[in-house]
Amino acid sequence: DADVTQTPRNRITKTGKRIMLECSQTKGHDRMYWYRQDPGLGLRLIYYSFDVKDINKGEISDGYSVSRQAQAKFSLSLESAIPNQTALYFCATSGVVFTGELFFGEGSRLTVL
Amino acid sequence: AQKITQTQPGMFVQEKEAVTLDCTYDTSDPSYGLFWYKQPSSGEMIFLIYQGSYDQQNATEGRYSLNFQKARKSANLVISASQLGDSAMYFCAMREGYGMNTGFQKLVFGTGTRLLVSP
Repeated sequence: DADVTQTPRNRITKTGKRIMLECSQTKGHDRMYWYRQDPGLGLRLIYYSFDVKDINKGEISDGYSVSRQAQAKFSLSLESAIPNQTALYFCATSGVVFTGELFFGEGSRLTVL
Repeated sequence: AQKITQTQPGMFVQEKEAVTLDCTYDTSDPSYGLFWYKQPSSGEMIFLIYQGSYDQQNATEGRYSLNFQKARKSANLVISASQLGDSAMYFCAMREGYGMNTGFQKLVFGTGTRLLVSP
């Protein structure tokens, strides 16, 4: 089983619908992140969290919200989805290690019609 | 603000040859870390290699090496003896700060280079 699990893996929805992407991890890491990948733009940070009580906006947080329900769970919500939120979304975690690399989930592909 | 530039949208290499993927970065922080990730067609992000700004030696991990030229602010990935399985998108990334007290490991990513390895 993957250490960082995202659900759903694929979702097609309509404009205006509320969508939640969920992420859970078994790595025991405190730090969790949501990134969005668009072709030609690389990955951009949406939100990040140090622990359950700590939530921070990233580069492109408008139109998104997050919830850190537990150390192992970090959800991303689109309150009213729009077509330009069609993208591949990644959850990632990191521990307090010297190099600080991120460990990614398998991605959630969201299509907003 | 930190920035990563990957100027090669696509690269082609023949199997068993070496290939260099370019990455330049910009930061005003003297302490930073540089990363390379691989994204196969299946979509997952795979960590390949890390270089710290104070590391004296270029990082190596198996067939991957990072050609770190600090003065030029470049961190090119070299893949030796390419294999068909190396065909993927490759992302260079950077975070500011160094070591255990970097706070959040917020990585900033480049736009990626798609590598195609031919038989």
